[in-house]
Amino acid sequence: EVQLVESGGGLVQPGGSLRLSCAASGFTFSSYWMHWVRQAPGKGLVWVSRINSDGSSTSYADSVKGRFTISRDNAKNTLYLQMNSLRAEDTAVYYCARVRGPADIWGQGTMVTVSS
Amino acid sequence: QPVLTQSSSASASLGSSVKLTCTLSSGHSSYIIAWHQQQPGKAPRYLMKLEGSGSYNKGSGVPDRFSGSSSGADRYLTISNLQSEDEADYYCETWDSNTRVFGGGTKLTVL
Repeated sequence: EVQLVESGGGLVQPGGSLRLSCAASGFTFSSYWMHWVRQAPGKGLVWVSRINSDGSSTSYADSVKGRFTISRDNAKNTLYLQMNSLRAEDTAVYYCARVRGPADIWGQGTMVTVSS
Repeated sequence: QPVLTQSSSASASLGSSVKLTCTLSSGHSSYIIAWHQQQPGKAPRYLMKLEGSGSYNKGSGVPDRFSGSSSGADRYLTISNLQSEDEADYYCETWDSNTRVFGGGTKLTVL
């Protein structure tokens, strides 16, 4: 079964850090670009970051540039999102998504809450 | 980068059909989009990829009741024979090599 499973979310204080993971299974992970997309409570989907298949190229939304770092370990079939200097407005469910054109496989999401 | 515009809400009766619209911004009318469904409390689910020609390719397991079409900068998702489980938020998505953009979503209510 093709599957993405996120983990690592939780409650963190403003200015803190968190690392999200996304474990992939059921497909050749190293062949796909991967993205992170977030959804604040009651709001729509917002693209956060993307990484190409071998990890050599990344891109970020302006709102997270300089604070978040996307990476991947193809040997472990795992995608990461390192989030530093977290703000209240980063509070959201974070989804990883497999992409080949559209985002065709989504994880179940992990909740990140930034609050004191 | 493109902007995708969706109506915030739509409603239709059980067993009827509904057509949701996603409009590409000026200068981006040829872009391919995708439609996603998000049922309450769940992750998004990919429904289909839709080209400007109106050609579409659905994801695995997507019922035949779901279809796509296009006209100019407008991309449509039509759901026929509405079921209660179709009550959800529907998002359109487009992309380039560096970013991707989502519409604001349409909340579909099945009456």
